[in-house]
Amino acid sequence: SYELTQPPSVSVSPGQTASITCSGDKLGDKYACWYQKKPGQSPVVVIYQNTKRPSGIPERFSGSNSGNTATLTISGTQAMDEADYYCQAWDSSTVVFGGGTKLTVL
Amino acid sequence: EVQLVESGGGLVKSGGSLRLSCAASGFTFNSYTLNWVRQAPGKGLEWVSSISSGSNYIYYADSLKGRFTISRENARNSLYLQISSLRAEDTAVYYCARVAAGCSRGTCYFDSWGQGTLVTVSS
Repeated sequence: SYELTQPPSVSVSPGQTASITCSGDKLGDKYACWYQKKPGQSPVVVIYQNTKRPSGIPERFSGSNSGNTATLTISGTQAMDEADYYCQAWDSSTVVFGGGTKLTVL
Repeated sequence: EVQLVESGGGLVKSGGSLRLSCAASGFTFNSYTLNWVRQAPGKGLEWVSSISSGSNYIYYADSLKGRFTISRENARNSLYLQISSLRAEDTAVYYCARVAAGCSRGTCYFDSWGQGTLVTVSS
């Protein structure tokens, strides 16, 4: 079965750039999306179809996908961005989530 | 406003069964593919199942096939998940999630999520 691998944790200082990676075999041939999940809240999509940002999502969120790696980049990271982030892709007709990355802003 | 409201969770003994429901409002229910996604305590998101708008296409995570049954009633704007032979590892918050409109296979994502319903399986 298809697997997506994320680093368990990433730390960033306020105002700096955070990059969260998601690796999978030939992931660049698929479309990746990213969800933000805060404790006690439902997930929210922050990037879809590799690079697109839904309305209401700040411009500091961006995405890329090439080769075997998709990347979520948060520029000018704010304290409110501290959350778990999950990448997601499709393998045929099934959905695959990455294991999640805890982003700490300190 | 799009709303997805899950219910039916609770404390269940191992080996028991449960039916979760998701009541939808604020959109044309019968036009959307819907999914169930769960999150065990301290763990990541896990996709459970998907059902197309007309129930023609149904898919399950390989690891969960056989004990989970997804269904929907478009006339009632409702999505369901029947879980049988419950195990401790089924303890999780179960979310219903809507697939965004207009996407094609492989490009789709979940644009709306419910608040989740907690299922706790005790031994």
